[in-house]
Amino acid sequence: EAQVTQNPRYLITVTGKKLTVTCSQNMNHEYMSWYRQDPGLGLRQIYYSMNVEVTDKGDVPEGYKVSRKEKRNFPLILESPSPNQTSLYFCASRGLEVHNEQFFGPGTRLTVL
Amino acid sequence: ILNVEQSPQSLHVQEGDSTNFTCSFPSSNFYALHWYRWETAKSPEALFVMTLNGDEKKKGRISATLNTKEGYSYLYIKGSQPEDSATYLCASGATSGTYKYIFGTGTRLKVLA
Repeated sequence: EAQVTQNPRYLITVTGKKLTVTCSQNMNHEYMSWYRQDPGLGLRQIYYSMNVEVTDKGDVPEGYKVSRKEKRNFPLILESPSPNQTSLYFCASRGLEVHNEQFFGPGTRLTVL
Repeated sequence: ILNVEQSPQSLHVQEGDSTNFTCSFPSSNFYALHWYRWETAKSPEALFVMTLNGDEKKKGRISATLNTKEGYSYLYIKGSQPEDSATYLCASGATSGTYKYIFGTGTRLKVLA
């Protein structure tokens, strides 16, 4: 089954404790992206990647890191999480053709105390 | 930064009614316009990807149009059903060497039986 998977689905952590949210897709998509969803705000793009070893900042990259060492994986790293990073996070992927749809993972709900 | 706006913010309709929503986006550097359907506790699901001015797409009772010159897209639902209840998101992709997406805050539709 074609899908985007994220782990963990739920995480409660404390300020300053480094964490990684994994994202994996099995559709051989070049493009992968991370978004966060906060109440009253639309989905906001954190980082995206056009291909292996190619990453770019979205609109809200502060406090986050990403890497794209393999085509299928695009982990999101929070080196020193803070309470304002409490949010619902989505990973997504798509092919590079302009008409390609974007497929979303199930989401990761992160709480930083 | 692009600004994508959706209206109305929320909408209640009776079963069988037809309805439509608007997505407004800056028309400069236009790349693609995505529509998503987002049910509570799930992840956004792609409805349409629209790229050309004058595009019209249809999937069952749902259709969409695109005007890239004036920067708007309409989503139509004909004969609304309770299962159409969801938040409908649009996202504008613009390129000037990058491929960022800016999402609107969505239109929340509730179809009353």
